[in-house]
Amino acid sequence: EVQLVESGGALVQPGGSLRLSCAASGFIFSSSWMTWVRQAPGKGLEWVGNIRPDGSDKYYVDSVKGRFTISRDNAKNSLYLQMNSLRVEDTAVYYCARDSGNFFVDVWGQGTTVTVSS
Amino acid sequence: QSALTQPASVSGSPGQSITISCTGTSSDVGGYDYVSWYQQHPGEAPKLMIYGVSNRPSGVSSRFSGSKSGDTASLTISGLQAEDEADYYCSSYTSSITHVFGTGTKVTVL
Repeated sequence: EVQLVESGGALVQPGGSLRLSCAASGFIFSSSWMTWVRQAPGKGLEWVGNIRPDGSDKYYVDSVKGRFTISRDNAKNSLYLQMNSLRVEDTAVYYCARDSGNFFVDVWGQGTTVTVSS
Repeated sequence: QSALTQPASVSGSPGQSITISCTGTSSDVGGYDYVSWYQQHPGEAPKLMIYGVSNRPSGVSSRFSGSKSGDTASLTISGLQAEDEADYYCSSYTSSITHVFGTGTKVTVL
């Protein structure tokens, strides 16, 4: 069964840092583009960024550039999102997702909640 | 990287057909045949319903169909059923080598 399980969500103060993890199983992780998507409370989906299968290229939405970093460990079938300089507006459920390789997401995790508040 | 524009809400009676629009620009929807649609029920993760403008993944009902004209893509749900009540989001690849989602549409079955 194809599965993505996120972890690491927490309550953090503005200006703080947090690292999210996503454990993948049931598919060839090392051949897959991977994506992070977030959803603020009561709001719509926002594409955060993605990473090439070998980790050589990463793309981000403007609002997180310079603050968030996507990385992966193909040996551990794991995806990561390092979030620095967190802002209140970064509060959201963060979803790990597999990009099919044809410009759409076909598998989603259940999400992990990040709350940025003092 | 502005969100694609969708109507906030669309409603219909059981058995009717409804259409949700998704308007972007020539830098996203109009420039690529890489529009996808997602269904999200409350408290759940999104689910892929349409990819590549008009393709249905296996397991998705044939009542769901997609199309595109110029900078606007559309999702049509025919034979509306109670279980179709959910939020729907379009998404497109962009010329910035990123992706963008739509603002979301709440579908209500009357």
